[in-house]
Amino acid sequence: NAGVTQTPKFQVLKTGQSMTLQCAQDMNHEYMSWYRQDPGMGLRLIHYSVGAGITDQGEVPNGYNVSRSTTEDFPLRLLSAAPSQTSVYFCASSSMGGAQETQYFGPGTRLLVL
Amino acid sequence: GESVGLHLPTLSVQEGDNSIINCAYSNSASDYFIWYKQESGKGPQFIIDIRSNMDKRQGQRVTVLLNKTVKHLSLQIAATQPGDSAVYFCAGASGYSTLTFGKGTMLLVSP
Repeated sequence: NAGVTQTPKFQVLKTGQSMTLQCAQDMNHEYMSWYRQDPGMGLRLIHYSVGAGITDQGEVPNGYNVSRSTTEDFPLRLLSAAPSQTSVYFCASSSMGGAQETQYFGPGTRLLVL
Repeated sequence: GESVGLHLPTLSVQEGDNSIINCAYSNSASDYFIWYKQESGKGPQFIIDIRSNMDKRQGQRVTVLLNKTVKHLSLQIAATQPGDSAVYFCAGASGYSTLTFGKGTMLLVSP
């Protein structure tokens, strides 16, 4: 199994541009989530999904959209990038226990918005 | 809402010492806690978890202690090695949906 994969590894955007961060898992996990990590801070939950077709907001959802059309994929969309969205983004997944089970994290996407 | 925080931002130890990393949480409804290790440039990796019906859980060289009375948990690493150098995060959940992370403690292990 590849586990949780994320693409791209690095991205530079200009203010106002849009992009999609990809996340995929091959463990047949129901629960998937997106976090952002800023210097000196822990991970903050952006959006999460408890299964295909179901998504919900986390702590910091503004400026981000998600969808979950399949169990495997959970893309994160930035509609109009802002410098405040410069961060490292992590995708994670877990099985039926959701947040009450081990989250498996991807390697992260480093995003710089100029 | 729940907040989970750490007492010390940086902990420096000598190789072979035992390390203790502390974490406080505010939501008394939290019933699941987990420790992650994050090495530079990588995603967090699971270390150990504990549910609120337990006070202690042991893994390989690691022990997590949970004190629900004072809403505190700790991670103990025995015989700390240079490879243990990383940032350690505690996180807690009070339901199925969301996990709340603390800010992290940097552990530096000197040979």
